[in-house]
This record gives sequence, structure tokens and C-alpha cells, in this order.
Amino acid sequence: EAQVTQNPRYLITVTGKKLTVTCSQNMNHEYMSWYRQDPGLGLRQIYYSMNVEVTDKGDVPEGYKVSRKEKRNFPLILESPSPNQTSLYFCASSFSGPRADTQYFGPGTRLTVL
Amino acid sequence: GENVEQHPSTLSVQEGDSAVIKCTYSDSASNYFPWYKQELGKGPQLIIDIRSNVGEKKDQRIAVTLNKTAKHFSLHITETQPEDSAVYFCAAIYTGTASKLTFGTGTRLQVTL
Repeated sequence: EAQVTQNPRYLITVTGKKLTVTCSQNMNHEYMSWYRQDPGLGLRQIYYSMNVEVTDKGDVPEGYKVSRKEKRNFPLILESPSPNQTSLYFCASSFSGPRADTQYFGPGTRLTVL
Repeated sequence: GENVEQHPSTLSVQEGDSAVIKCTYSDSASNYFPWYKQELGKGPQLIIDIRSNVGEKKDQRIAVTLNKTAKHFSLHITETQPEDSAVYFCAAIYTGTASKLTFGTGTRLQVTL
């Protein structure tokens, strides 16, 4: 089954404790992206990657890191999480970017930073 | 950059009625406008899209209209059913160079029996 998977689905952590949210897709997509969803703000892009070893900032990259060492994986790293990073996070992928292709979203990761 | 406004933020309709969600965009160069549906506990899923060379597109009970002059586009759902209850997001992008979609803030649609 074609899908985007994220782990963990739920995470409660404390300020300053490094964490990684994994994202994997099995559709051989080149483009992958991370979004955060907050009430009243919709979906805002954090980082995106056009292909392996190619990443770029989205609208809200502060406090986040990403890496794209393999085509299928695009982990989101919070080196020192803060309470304002409490949010619902989505990973998405598509063949060549949102310009022409449908983005497929993962199920989401709900992160709470205390 | 692009800015997308979406209204209303919540919408309640009775089963069988129609629902309309409206979005406006700021960048006149934007030329691709998808709509996503997000069910509870799931990620957004594309339900319909429209490109700027088309004024209207239909897919069964859903349709999208685009007014390039006014820079607004709308989602129309007819004969609503309880399974249409979800959060709907509009988005806009200029496909020439942009690598990211700009999303609206979402509309929570509730279809009541």
C-alpha cells in the first residue's frame, strides 16, 4: 500500500530534550516536506526537500533541522524543543513537488513540549 | 509571498444542503489551487484541484470555481452527507518556480442529520 508513515504518532516531552520524528514514504517520491498545523493558522511549511541531500527552508524553520540521506526518509529533528513547538506535525511527499503533483500526507504526529 | 485567506472558519449545514467555502489569494501569478480534506485523526487528502486556465471543475458532488480577476476560488459541496464532515483547506501555488503550497487556515464543516 502506497503511504507516508510517521513515528511516533504522539509524543510528550520536556523543554530541551532532543527528539526526532521520523517520516518514510514507499512511493519513490523525490519531494518531501514537513508542515506544522496550529489552530487558526492552517498548515505552515517547516522544511522541504526536492531530492536526496537537497533541503530548503519553508515558512517556519526556526528550531528545526532536517536531513535527507535516503530518498524514502525525511526525519524532523528538534535539537532543543520549546513549548511553542507544541503542535501537530505532518510529513508529505510527491513525485516532483507540489507544483504539479498531488502531495500525500502522513497521519500526523502530535507533539507536546512541557 | 503568497497569502491565502479562507472563510468561514466553521460551517454547519443540514444533510442534503449545499456547502460553500471561499478562499482569496494575493499573488496574481498563482496558477494551481488544490483543496484538501482532513478527517479527524488523519492527514489532509487532496479532493479536487483547479488550474488557472479553467474556470470551473466538477467531480460528482464537489466542484471548484476560480475567478482570476478577483483572485478568489471556492469549493462547492452539494447534497452534503455526514461523511463530508471534516476540515477543508484551500491552497495556492505558482507552479513556475515555487516549491511550496500556501494553505488557508481551514474550514470545519459539520453536516448534521
